[in-house]
Amino acid sequence: NAGVTQTPKFQVLKTGQSMTLQCAQDMNHEYMSWYRQDPGMGLRLIHYSVGAGITDQGEVPNGYNVSRSTTEDFPLRLLSAAPSQTSVYFCASRVMGQNNSPLHFGNGTRLTVT
Amino acid sequence: KNEVEQSPQNLTAQEGEFITINCSYSVGISALHWLQQHPGGGIVSLFMLSSGKKKHGRLIATINIQEKHSSLHITASHPRDSAVYICAVGPNTGTASKLTFGTGTRLQVTL
Repeated sequence: NAGVTQTPKFQVLKTGQSMTLQCAQDMNHEYMSWYRQDPGMGLRLIHYSVGAGITDQGEVPNGYNVSRSTTEDFPLRLLSAAPSQTSVYFCASRVMGQNNSPLHFGNGTRLTVT
Repeated sequence: KNEVEQSPQNLTAQEGEFITINCSYSVGISALHWLQQHPGGGIVSLFMLSSGKKKHGRLIATINIQEKHSSLHITASHPRDSAVYICAVGPNTGTASKLTFGTGTRLQVTL
């Protein structure tokens, strides 16, 4: 099992550019989520999904889109990058239906928007 | 006031010391998670608990639901324990998927 795989590890964008952060998991987890981590702040939920075809907004969804066409993949799209989106992004997954199931994290994507 | 507060923010210890990291939360929860973030950035789940105590190797996590407080203890600390330790809580209302995270405790263990 590869677990949760995120790509790319690093990315530099110019303001206004678009890109997609990829996230894939091979554990058949229903729940997948995207977080951003900024200095001095806890991880904040951007979007999440409880199964293929189902997505919902988290705490900080503005400027980001997601889709969940398969159980395995949950890409995060930045439509028009802004410097405020400079952050480290983590994808995580877990089994649904079990409040006490652990989150499995990807290794993160460090994004810089200039 | 943040829903999840961790203390201390930073902690330096010598190898072999007993370490305690605290987490207080303000909402009713279904579960509390302790995570470890390595200097390279990767995050791993250490514990999930909704009551009592759990132990894994040199790590012990406890939770007091009435006091809304959890502690993470590291016995016989080692430099490889140096990391950021993050507490997160899952609410007992709405979707338990929406975890709220603390800002982390940065631990440095020196020789």
